[in-house]
Amino acid sequence: QKEVEQNSGPLSVPEGAIASLNCTYSDRVSQSFFWYRQYSGKSPELIMSIYSNGDKEDGRFTAQLNKASQYVSLLIRDSQPSDSATYLCAVSRADTGGFKTIFGAGTRLFVKA
Amino acid sequence: KAGVTQTPRYLIKTRGQQVTLSCSPISGHRSVSWYQQTPGQGLQFLFEYFSETQRNKGNFPGRFSGRQFSNSRSEMNVSTLELGDSALYLCASSLEGLRNQPQHFGDGTRLSIL
Repeated sequence: QKEVEQNSGPLSVPEGAIASLNCTYSDRVSQSFFWYRQYSGKSPELIMSIYSNGDKEDGRFTAQLNKASQYVSLLIRDSQPSDSATYLCAVSRADTGGFKTIFGAGTRLFVKA
Repeated sequence: KAGVTQTPRYLIKTRGQQVTLSCSPISGHRSVSWYQQTPGQGLQFLFEYFSETQRNKGNFPGRFSGRQFSNSRSEMNVSTLELGDSALYLCASSLEGLRNQPQHFGDGTRLSIL
């Protein structure tokens, strides 16, 4: 079992729809959760950080965390073609000497105009 | 505030050579991590440095090494290059705190091995 799992996609949604991206993790002591967006040929860009159970909203993006289910998701409202990218889920926990961050393989999102 | 700076952006080498990549973190960030990204394997963790010490290491052979300087700048070295080392190498820095802060990535160095 991978430590951080994401559906590789591609996930295809029409413009204006809600895109729902999901991520599960295996380590129950994970503390910090991040979503990154990566355009083709570019480096990952941080979209959201979430540390507590519940929802966190930032513009069109909402991150949802459920530690009991070991599940974190990202909702993108009013999806735009410019949202087409790979979305990486990252999970972090304290480790000997610092913190350890594990990235999922990413979900490719296509937003059709 | 300047972001994470990686140099060079592109590099072409041949098998057997060695290469050194450089990373300057965001000012004030003391943690620097290195990743290898290939189409088939995604982001693979190489190592993390904090205060000039390697704190964590991924599952890469000893040909991959790194170091961090007192100003938090970091270098990564790959010796005896192999074709499979062709990849995008990403550096990320973060602000150390009571809980892990997000990592901020540089633009990467795209390494091609001929």
